[in-house]
Amino acid sequence: AQSVAQPEDQVNVAEGNPLTVKCTYSVSGNPYLFWYVQYPNRGLQFLLKYITGDNLVKGSYGFEAEFNKSQTSFHLKKPSALVSDSALYFCAVRDSSNTGKLIFGQGTTLQVKP
Amino acid sequence: EPEVTQTPSHQVTQMGQEVILRCVPISNHLYFYWYRQILGQKVEFLVSFYNNEISEKSEIFDDQFSVERPDGSNFTLKIRSTKLEDSAMYFCASSEGRAPGGKLFFGSGTQLSVL
Repeated sequence: AQSVAQPEDQVNVAEGNPLTVKCTYSVSGNPYLFWYVQYPNRGLQFLLKYITGDNLVKGSYGFEAEFNKSQTSFHLKKPSALVSDSALYFCAVRDSSNTGKLIFGQGTTLQVKP
Repeated sequence: EPEVTQTPSHQVTQMGQEVILRCVPISNHLYFYWYRQILGQKVEFLVSFYNNEISEKSEIFDDQFSVERPDGSNFTLKIRSTKLEDSAMYFCASSEGRAPGGKLFFGSGTQLSVL
């Protein structure tokens, strides 16, 4: 069965500092990995995805993620955090079944302090 | 960018009542999903729908739940007799296809409170 895990419930960083939100995955076959963000009272917004190719994937709002096959990780990163980045972040894997559903991690709250 | 829209944004109901949550997926999308998120917990898959039928459902999606695409644009989730534990945020999503590299587009959610 496919799954993703986010080991941190919350990550706290100071504005201007780099941030990392961790995600590890377990899949059979090729991994198709996604990051979504949820701002308060909003839906899930797509940030970026990894399908194949370069291990460093660039996405929306200056975020990027690094795919590491040997460590089965797909950590979300940003070189310089903004207070407005404070939100709930979900890592997800797209299921290889016929339905193509997303399977989510438990989510990590990012708190960026001024 | 096109959006998935959900109504209502908040729904309060009494235990045992029926509720219908409504979604308008993106117009050229063919795959539709419902997810729920209980407060403080992960986003859980409920059901997927394609070609006017359920293609997959989770163990959460029991006989009290049903989905329908009544008119080619709306996609609804019905809970026949709500329980307290049905209180959650319910998200609708759609995608153009089921290719693993494609993304799902999510609505803003309906917060369901069962009293």
